[in-house]
Amino acid sequence: DQQVKQNSPSLSVQEGRISILNCDYTNSMFDYFLWYKKYPAEGPTFLISISSIKDKNEDGRFTVFLNKSAKHLSLHIVPSQPGDSAVYFCAASGQGGSNYKLTFGKGTLLTVNP
Amino acid sequence: NAGVTQTPKFRILKIGQSMTLQCTQDMNHNYMYWYRQDPGMGLKLIYYSVGAGITDKGEVPNGYNVSRSTTEDFPLRLELAAPSQTSVYFCASSYRLVDGTSGKISYEQYFGPGTRLTVT
Repeated sequence: DQQVKQNSPSLSVQEGRISILNCDYTNSMFDYFLWYKKYPAEGPTFLISISSIKDKNEDGRFTVFLNKSAKHLSLHIVPSQPGDSAVYFCAASGQGGSNYKLTFGKGTLLTVNP
Repeated sequence: NAGVTQTPKFRILKIGQSMTLQCTQDMNHNYMYWYRQDPGMGLKLIYYSVGAGITDKGEVPNGYNVSRSTTEDFPLRLELAAPSQTSVYFCASSYRLVDGTSGKISYEQYFGPGTRLTVT
């Protein structure tokens, strides 16, 4: 059973517009959430994270929002750029004492069109 | 500072052959991980290690073995390769980070570039 779900396999947006990537989780023990970005033939790279004590975290063009009651988080990219085209993975940790382990979603392929 | 390095980048194995995927990190991280990624799927944890000499199974350990004799190296061994092991393998490492304001502990994982393995 998937504990971290990214229900949109792909998303296409125009350059300069907002990209919104969504992620849902089922395990209420998760308390730390991360987004990773992956280009083809490369390993995932860390993008941004949020702790459950916050509902928003910003880093430049990237903002992550967390809605604990809905067990939902989203990544906003504003403005979107062609170089943002990649697969984005949502990940979560916090299962008891093993919070060094991450559970990943299946990823969303973002395509930003010039 | 090379981060996490993996060798080889690509490999084709015949069914029943064995091989070792190498992973090295130069960040002095205690925690290391092996994942596999199948097409259209997320990353599945194979094995992990919380420090030299300590390893444990992840979500999909069958058909694999690991060792951790040093902090830097975490090789993944495939014995009797099967077509189901065709995948992209990623090694990662992390360290324990304590938030100065909240006291919360978090771990951000750093990934290697991956090894694409095909078993035919």
